[in-house]
Amino acid sequence: AQSVTQPDIHITVSEGASLELRCNYSYGATPYLFWYVQSPGQGLQLLLKYFSGDTLVQGIKGFEAEFKRSQSSFNLRKPSVHWSDAAEYFCAVGAEEGNAGNMLTFGGGTRLMVKP
Amino acid sequence: DAGVIQSPRHEVTEMGQEVTLRCKPISGHDYLFWYRQTMMRGLELLIYFNNNVPIDDSGMPEDRFSAKMPNASFSTLKIQPSEPRDSAVYFCASSPVVRTTEAFFGQGTRLTVV
Repeated sequence: AQSVTQPDIHITVSEGASLELRCNYSYGATPYLFWYVQSPGQGLQLLLKYFSGDTLVQGIKGFEAEFKRSQSSFNLRKPSVHWSDAAEYFCAVGAEEGNAGNMLTFGGGTRLMVKP
Repeated sequence: DAGVIQSPRHEVTEMGQEVTLRCKPISGHDYLFWYRQTMMRGLELLIYFNNNVPIDDSGMPEDRFSAKMPNASFSTLKIQPSEPRDSAVYFCASSPVVRTTEAFFGQGTRLTVV
């Protein structure tokens, strides 16, 4: 069964600093990978997704992620963090079965705090 | 489209009462998912439907939980009787058949059972 691990529960960075959030997955085939962001009291918003092709994917709000099959990783990055990026970030992998739509398995999340 | 719509946004109920959460998926989406978010367990899938048919309910924690999708535009998640440990945020999401299109989430229902 697929699984997702986000090793960092909390991360604090200074505004303007770079950011990398780690994500490792376990999956039998080529994974469909996602990063979602959740602001306090809000639902989940998609930041970016990977299905195939270029292993570096660009998302909204200046985020990008790189798929590395050899490391089973899909880390999220941003070159310069803004205070408004403070939120919880979830990495997710789509279902292995083709008939399960985008049923997602989520990592535990990483809570990002931004220092002024 | 207004996106996935969930109601109510907040629900406070007493232990033992019946609770019904509602979801309207995005029109044209074939899949509907119910997730629960808690501090202890994170985001976990409870059940999902394909074309209104329940496909996998292995994530439903107990028989007190039930979900229905009577038509393509409406689904309910019911807890009867509710218990304090059911307190969580419940999310509904929908997605089309094409897997390269992501799942879209509602704003969630925050349930508190006292």
